[in-house]
Amino acid sequence: NAGVMQNPRHLVRRRGQEARLRCSPMKGHSHVYWYRQLPEEGLKFMVYLQKENIIDESGMPKERFSAEFPKEGPSILRIQQVVRGDSAAYFCASSGALAATGELFFGEGSRLTVL
Amino acid sequence: SQQGEEDPQALSIQEGENATMNCSYKTSINNLQWYRQNSGRGLVHLILIRSNEREKHSGRLRVTLDTSKKSSSLLITASRAADTASYFCATAPGPSYDKVIFGPGTSLSVIP
Repeated sequence: NAGVMQNPRHLVRRRGQEARLRCSPMKGHSHVYWYRQLPEEGLKFMVYLQKENIIDESGMPKERFSAEFPKEGPSILRIQQVVRGDSAAYFCASSGALAATGELFFGEGSRLTVL
Repeated sequence: SQQGEEDPQALSIQEGENATMNCSYKTSINNLQWYRQNSGRGLVHLILIRSNEREKHSGRLRVTLDTSKKSSSLLITASRAADTASYFCATAPGPSYDKVIFGPGTSLSVIP
């Protein structure tokens, strides 16, 4: 069974460009979470999605960031007009049950560097 | 503010010793989980303890949960160099329990 797949693993963008990060959850999982991690820090919750629905986006910056989890295809985290402060590792996790009852399975992360 | 806070921030021990990490949280929870992250990698789930459980074991891991103090501890016995990693506690805080929040983590170094 393939685990959670994230791509790209590494992404370099110049200020003002767009970054698109993709996450394919584990087979059968319908819950997807995105987290951001700065070096030597913990994971900061960004957004929780189910198929075609954003359930909780309380951790997402109000501007430039968006996320989707379409009926078909991977979940996408999109960052428009990137700035240096967006440089971080972005982790996706999936679960087959509600957060309250199940463990999360993580991808290996996408490391964004903004020049 | 953080839902979960691990303590200590960093811990260095000799191989064979036990390592204890603590986690405190603020709101009611349905369960508490511990994860491990090796440098540059994704997180790996270690153990989940439900709010109605007080202690749980898995191999060399022992987790306790005290809901009255809103705290948990992770004990790794007979540590190995391969246990060197960051350890995070995670909770799904009430009332909606719809997202999992991680603490800042404890960085464990096991010296051979």
